[in-house]
Parts: sequence; C-alpha cells; structure tokens
Amino acid sequence: KQEVTQIPAALSVPEGENLVLNCSFTDSAIYNLQWFRQDPGKGLTSLLLIQSSQREQTSGRLNASLDKSSGRSTLYIAASQPGDSATYLCAVSSWGSYNTDKLIFGTGTRLQVFP
Amino acid sequence: EAQVTQNPRYLITVTGKKLTVTCSQNMNHEYMSWYRQDPGLGLRQIYYSMNVEVTDKGDVPEGYKVSRKEKRNFPLILESPSPNQTSLYFCASSKRTGPAFFGQGTRLTVV
Repeated sequence: KQEVTQIPAALSVPEGENLVLNCSFTDSAIYNLQWFRQDPGKGLTSLLLIQSSQREQTSGRLNASLDKSSGRSTLYIAASQPGDSATYLCAVSSWGSYNTDKLIFGTGTRLQVFP
Repeated sequence: EAQVTQNPRYLITVTGKKLTVTCSQNMNHEYMSWYRQDPGLGLRQIYYSMNVEVTDKGDVPEGYKVSRKEKRNFPLILESPSPNQTSLYFCASSKRTGPAFFGQGTRLTVV
C-alpha cells in the first residue's frame, strides 16, 4: 500500500532563506507526483506536477525534483517570502482498480516565513 | 475562469438527516474525486470517477454515495450522516495527465 511521508511537519524561517521540503513514498510505481499549496480555510492549489518519466519541474522560485528509484521528491523554494507561508502537500498518483488513478497525499509541511 | 465549485461551503446538520454536497467543474475534465481532510490523517480519497457513469471507491467510501450523470457534476451524498463524518471535504477534477484542480472545500459538522 502506497504511503507518503513529508518531513518536516512544520518549518519556520526568516524571509530570504532558501529552503527544501521533503516528500518520500513507499511504492515507486507512480504515475506522477504533485506539489500543492493550501492556505488556511481554502482549497488546494497545484504548484508543480512531475510526470513519472521526468526528473524535475520549475515554476518561478519553485523547483521540484523526483527520484523514483529512491522514492523521494523535494520542493525547493528560493528566496522565501512571507507570502509563501502555507501548508505544502505532496501527492503521488498511483493506480487504483479499473485502471483509474488516485492521489495519495502526505500530511503536509506547515511553512511560516517571518519578516 | 477555470474552477471547481462546491456548495455549500459550510454545513451543520443532525445525525441521520440526508444531505448532498454539490461539485461542478467547467474545464471538461474526465476525472473527478472527493476527498476528506482530517487533522493528523491528511487528505483521503472517498470516491472517484473517470467519466460519466463510471465511479470507483477510494480509501474511505463507507457512508457515502456518489453519482456522475453529467461530465461537469459529481455530487457527494451522505444518506445518514454520523458525527464521525464531521470533516473538511474537497472535490477535485483533472484531465488524464494534468494537475488536479480543487474546490474551496466544504466544512461539514454533524451533531
């Protein structure tokens, strides 16, 4: 059974720091991996999606990498800003029954960036 | 604007009173899902649909029903809600290889 773990559970950093969020998964047979951002009381916003055949994706100050063989992904945030404060969720898409895919989520990293 | 719309956003109900949470997407996505989010447990899939009239159980389907009569709509039905179904619910949609889009969430309290 696929399990997704995110470390650390919480992180507090001063503005301007570069930081790395970690995600690990137990079954390397994934379809893709997504990083989401969740703000309090709001829905999830997709940040980056990495297909299983890809190694990394970049969007602005965000860079996500994927190493399927070791079951790991990292989300790198450059020059962090207070507006980056949110919970970051990692999710892998694995095959369910009837060839449908489903997202399995980690429990998230709560990030606080202070001025 | 591309979006997934859930209604209602907040709901307080009593045990046993049937309720429906609606979900609609305007992106012509084939895939739609329902998740619940609980402290310490994260997001867990309830039900999933890969197209009209095709649904599949997720990890926590007990006590829930779904239907997919139209491509854009995927309502979640609680026939007889119980207090352990108090949670934050999210609907999501996606294309086959694309990112998932989530609704704003429905906070349900069953007393």
